[in-house]
Amino acid sequence: DTAVSQTPKYLVTQMGNDKSIKCEQNLGHDTMYWYKQDSKKFLKIMFSYNNKELIINETVPNRFSPKSPDKAHLNLHINSLELGDSAVYFCASSPQAGDLNEQFFGPGTRLTVL
Amino acid sequence: SQQGEEDPQALSIQEGENATMNCSYKTSINNLQWYRQNSGRGLVHLILIRSNEREKHSGRLRVTLDTSKKSSSLLITASRAADTASYFCATTKAAGNKLTFGGGTRVLVKP
Repeated sequence: DTAVSQTPKYLVTQMGNDKSIKCEQNLGHDTMYWYKQDSKKFLKIMFSYNNKELIINETVPNRFSPKSPDKAHLNLHINSLELGDSAVYFCASSPQAGDLNEQFFGPGTRLTVL
Repeated sequence: SQQGEEDPQALSIQEGENATMNCSYKTSINNLQWYRQNSGRGLVHLILIRSNEREKHSGRLRVTLDTSKKSSSLLITASRAADTASYFCATTKAAGNKLTFGGGTRVLVKP
């Protein structure tokens, strides 16, 4: 009965590798998000998709590419990983894109780049 | 700098006491939300207050919003050990706009 799920939960990899994080929500929501939380707990939005269309794209290196095959899934692919990419990445969803919607967060993926 | 900045950064209280934390922001907002994050978990939505509201309650939670001072407070009454978590405020500046989070307040409730 998991609402927003992410895989993997932990990801340890070497610099320069390419990796993907998957996210799925079973809430029937239209909008999904990716956030990055750094070691000081600051949480910053990276991308948002509404019904498979990109609606928010923050200043994120183009090594990060989101993909939404359908509105229940939003995956994050990262090319040429760097040390500074180490963080916890959270996926979230909301019923619609409007600001009056609460967001439902996944459990996070802790990425460690060595 | 963060749009929302919480104060204090950390708070330690005894079970049964009240916990109060504040959030200040710099630009006009459409609404403000509070979220809780337990250690190693995702964020959980607690309460949303619109810019034309001044106070809102949900169970043991009380949120106030003062748009003239660009600040909000979250009060947890009769705290429990299970309230131990980080609490974040998040703002939106316009309809449909993204959520901007503050750095959070870490609350420790000692049994």
